[in-house]
Amino acid sequence: EPEVTQTPSHQVTQMGQEVILRCVPISNHLYFYWYRQILGQKVEFLVSFYNNEISEKSEIFDDQFSVERPDGSNFTLKIRSTKLEDSAMYFCASSRTEGTGELFFGEGSRLTVL
Amino acid sequence: GQQLNQSPQSMFIQEGEDVSMNCTSSSIFNTWLWYKQDPGEGPVLLIALYKAGELTSNGRLTAQFGITRKDSFLNISASIPSDVGIYFCAGQMASGTYKYIFGTGTRLKVLA
Repeated sequence: EPEVTQTPSHQVTQMGQEVILRCVPISNHLYFYWYRQILGQKVEFLVSFYNNEISEKSEIFDDQFSVERPDGSNFTLKIRSTKLEDSAMYFCASSRTEGTGELFFGEGSRLTVL
Repeated sequence: GQQLNQSPQSMFIQEGEDVSMNCTSSSIFNTWLWYKQDPGEGPVLLIALYKAGELTSNGRLTAQFGITRKDSFLNISASIPSDVGIYFCAGQMASGTYKYIFGTGTRLKVLA
């Protein structure tokens, strides 16, 4: 069964460092998302991406964050200068259609900022 | 921001019992998704609901899209130990945004 894959599974970084989290969405999906989950809390929307551009972003997704689809398969989330409060699980998700489509999640990348 | 309230927050039940949880909001939704999350893993899609009043089953799981479009319910029948985990609802609002927002989660523990 096709699945969303994410790398790395866990990254530890120093505050102020740049981090890139990578995702390979399901191959025939057109809409891509990043969500994050701070330990013990609910899953929060960060950004959605379609047709090589951001379609929606939350107030969490500030200038420190960026997303890119550098080729036909990868979808990346970059955090330019990490802060302690960026420590969380970051989930990539994809769907074939926007809004009313089923959203499938990857296993997540745990980011720990020291 | 938008809020999806899930209840109960947590529940302990005996194996074999039925479980009910719900998600409510003051906003109207176009779609409801129900997920299960195990520790350290990503949410796994259980059921998708697309129309008000819709009742959909997936094995021992049954979910309903509330008739007012402001709520949804998930029932698990004859619970087993592997049902333990956190259950999240996620809704796509009927107000021009396409993102899904997540509920606060229901933590389920099943006692054998």
